[in-house]
Amino acid sequence: QKEVEQNSGPLSVPEGAIASLNCTYSDRVSQSFFWYRQYSGKSPELIMSIYSNGDKEDGRFTAQLNKASQYVSLLIRDSQPSDSATYLCAVDNQGGKLIFGQGTELSVKP
Amino acid sequence: SAVISQKPSRDICQRGTSLTIQCQVDSQVTMMFWYRQQPGQSLTLIATANQGSEATYESGFVIDKFPISRPNLTFSTLTVSNMSPEDSSIYLCSIKAGIYEQYFGPGTRLTVT
Repeated sequence: QKEVEQNSGPLSVPEGAIASLNCTYSDRVSQSFFWYRQYSGKSPELIMSIYSNGDKEDGRFTAQLNKASQYVSLLIRDSQPSDSATYLCAVDNQGGKLIFGQGTELSVKP
Repeated sequence: SAVISQKPSRDICQRGTSLTIQCQVDSQVTMMFWYRQQPGQSLTLIATANQGSEATYESGFVIDKFPISRPNLTFSTLTVSNMSPEDSSIYLCSIKAGIYEQYFGPGTRLTVT
């Protein structure tokens, strides 16, 4: 059973702090990794994708991938109340079939 | 980027009935998928909608319960058949755009009473 694990949270951080979200996956052949943000009552929105080991930065977001440790993370710098949402880690290891983690609920307190 | 729409956005249905959900994309896409998000849960892939051939279903999902059509490269439907309260979920279509990225439609919120 291929699995993607996330801390369910909730993760609470003060405004302006760094939020760190973590994800592990079980299938070593996984090649593509994604972070989605889902606001309550809305559909998931793709915010980051990463395919090779190391860091990938996009604005306030940094995705980190370590394939040896089967670990993906998302850092959100200068967290804002508008970042409060559920963050879903997804792994694609069969040509488009995404396996999702349970999601981490992030709350950014003003 | 492609615009994905779904109809209906929400519905309340009686048990034993069926509902067909439509997914429309404003450009041709090769790969379309259907996911389910049960209350308080994450997303689970139901099937890959293949253009011109039968959908490919994931373990735990069967064609009799979730028939899917994909008549062309911009449109797909998912039918939830013989509904029970356990089918109450958000149903989402997604497309694969670019090489790897996948984007979701707005979803259809289904309540079965």
